[in-house]
Amino acid sequence: ILNVEQSPQSLHVQEGDSTNFTCSFPSSNFYALHWYRWETAKSPEALFVMTLNGDEKKKGRISATLNTKEGYSYLYIKGSQPEDSATYLCAFNAGNMLTFGGGTRLMVKP
Amino acid sequence: DTGVSQDPRHKITKRGQNVTFRCDPISEHNRLYWYRQTLGQGPEFLTYFQNEAQLEKSRLLSDRFSAERPKGSFSTLEIQRTEQGDSAMYLCASSFSQEQGTTPAYEQYFGPGTRLTVT
Repeated sequence: ILNVEQSPQSLHVQEGDSTNFTCSFPSSNFYALHWYRWETAKSPEALFVMTLNGDEKKKGRISATLNTKEGYSYLYIKGSQPEDSATYLCAFNAGNMLTFGGGTRLMVKP
Repeated sequence: DTGVSQDPRHKITKRGQNVTFRCDPISEHNRLYWYRQTLGQGPEFLTYFQNEAQLEKSRLLSDRFSAERPKGSFSTLEIQRTEQGDSAMYLCASSFSQEQGTTPAYEQYFGPGTRLTVT
């Protein structure tokens, strides 16, 4: 059984704050690490797919890093906005299905 | 809209009834996945198809659950004799892979889910 863990479970920040979340995953049989943003009543939206150790990806104010040797990834949000409020999921890809962490629920107060 | 669609979006049913959900993947995608998400948890893998072939099933998929993808396009997930523990969000995703089952596909695109409530 693969263990993918995310922390924190939830986070309340003020508009303008920068924040980061952690995803830890097994360091063996690694193909890819995925980050998704899931807003209520919408489809989970793919943010990043990361495959190489040391990968760093950026999309606007959101960025992510990957360390496959030690089995962790960080997601950073710079200058949080209320529209960033969502659940952020990471998922470990060791084959054909994704194994998800429990998610970090972010709430950004205006 | 060319994304993954699911129908219905919400389903309320009484314990013991059968329910069927439908997923329409992105048209050029040959892989289709079903996941289930319960409150406070991340989505959990149920099964996946490559074209019409169901290649993998989770132990979560009890014999009351059956999934089909008859023409390699849309898929249905049926739950027979529903139980209260089946209440969850059922998510469908699709992806494209150039090779048969053992090669991982990277990008998976999700639909909005079907929320099932069993009373």
